[in-house]
Amino acid sequence: AQRVTQPEKLLSVFKGAPVELKCNYSYSGSPELFWYVQYSRQRLQLLLRHISRESIKGFTADLNKGETSFHLKKPFAQEEDSAMYYCALKNNNAGNMLTFGGGTRLMVKP
Amino acid sequence: EPEVTQTPSHQVTQMGQEVILRCVPISNHLYFYWYRQILGQKVEFLVSFYNNEISEKSEIFDDQFSVERPDGSNFTLKIRSTKLEDSAMYFCASRAVSSYNEQFFGPGTRLTVL
Repeated sequence: AQRVTQPEKLLSVFKGAPVELKCNYSYSGSPELFWYVQYSRQRLQLLLRHISRESIKGFTADLNKGETSFHLKKPFAQEEDSAMYYCALKNNNAGNMLTFGGGTRLMVKP
Repeated sequence: EPEVTQTPSHQVTQMGQEVILRCVPISNHLYFYWYRQILGQKVEFLVSFYNNEISEKSEIFDDQFSVERPDGSNFTLKIRSTKLEDSAMYFCASRAVSSYNEQFFGPGTRLTVL
């Protein structure tokens, strides 16, 4: 069965510090992974997906199939990055549903 | 920019009552989803819907749950007889046809069962 694990519920860093939000997955097929972000009082929104290999708001994430990981990184955190971050795995079944990790709350202190 | 909308934002109901949660997906999207998040827990998949039928459902989505697309715009989730443990945030999402398209989420409905 598919599973997504985010080991840290809370990550607190100072502004300008590097950030790494960890995500590990378990999936028997070819994985397709995403990071979603939820800012305070806002809806879940897509931050980035591994197939795009893009950098959004300074964040990057590399899929490591050997370690079954998809960690989210940013070299210099900003206060406006404070939010809940969810790693998600897309199931390549009829519905293409998402399996979410438990989320990590990132707090960036001034 | 078009958005998924959900109503109501907060629903309070008595145990055993029926509730209907409403969603208006983005207009050209054809895949629709319901997820829920119990307080302090993960966002969990409930059901996906395409071409007027359920394409996938989780073990949470038992006979107490049903979905419907009653007209060209709304997508509803009905809980027939609510239980205390149904209290959660319920998120609707929609996406366009290609599997590469992202799911767009609504703001959620907070359901409180007393």
